[in-house]
Amino acid sequence: NAGVTQTPKFQVLKTGQSMTLQCAQDMNHEYMSWYRQDPGMGLRLIHYSVGAGITDQGEVPNGYNVSRSTTEDFPLRLLSAAPSQTSVYFCASTTGTGSTDTQYFGPGTRLTVL
Amino acid sequence: EDQVTQSPEALRLQEGESSSLNCSYTVSGLRGLFWYRQDPGKGPEFLFTLYSAGEEKEKERLKATLTKKESFLHITAPKPEDSATYLCAVHLSGSARQLTFGSGTQLTVLP
Repeated sequence: NAGVTQTPKFQVLKTGQSMTLQCAQDMNHEYMSWYRQDPGMGLRLIHYSVGAGITDQGEVPNGYNVSRSTTEDFPLRLLSAAPSQTSVYFCASTTGTGSTDTQYFGPGTRLTVL
Repeated sequence: EDQVTQSPEALRLQEGESSSLNCSYTVSGLRGLFWYRQDPGKGPEFLFTLYSAGEEKEKERLKATLTKKESFLHITAPKPEDSATYLCAVHLSGSARQLTFGSGTQLTVLP
C-alpha cells in the first residue's frame, strides 16, 4: 500500500491564481481531512469528509473548497490564492473503526503564495 | 474554548539523558489523546493513542501517560535518531474524528 499520497510536493503561486492540491489514499478509509501547518501554530483543520459525497468545514475553511467524489481521492482547491495561504498542507485519512481512530498523514505540500 | 498546550517548545538533550515532554489540555469530552512524531519535511507519524486517565503505552524508548489534565511523553536514554518534533492532539467527543493539535515540542538529542 502507498498509504496517503499528495501532489505536488512544492508549489509557488502568484496572488489570485487558483490551484488544486491532490490527495489520494489506498487504504479504503472513509474519513479524510486537510490540515495546514504554520510555524508555532500546530496543525489546523481546513475541511474534512466522512465519506464519498459528504464534506464539512473545519477550523479554517475560508478560501478553500473540497469535494469527495470517490473514497480514494480528496482534492483541496484554492480559489484565489493569497499570501496568507502560504503554508504546508497535509492530507490525512483514518481507519475510523472506532478502536483506534488513528490518522495517517501524507508527506505534505509546501505552498508559497507571492 | 478547547485548548492543547505543549511544553517546552524546544528541548535539547545529551544522548542518554532522559526527560519528559508535556501536553496539557482543557477540553470537554476527551475521546482520545494522540502522540505523533514529525521529522523535518515529512508528515506526522503516529506513535500512541491514550483513551483514559491512568493509561500508559510504550514503544522502544518512548512511554506515554495520561491524566485527566495532561499527558507526558517520557523519553528514556534518547539517541540522536529520536530528534524530531513531537505533536500532541486530542480527539473530542462528537467531533467526527477531528483532531485538535498542540504546537509541538522540537526535540534535539546531541551525540
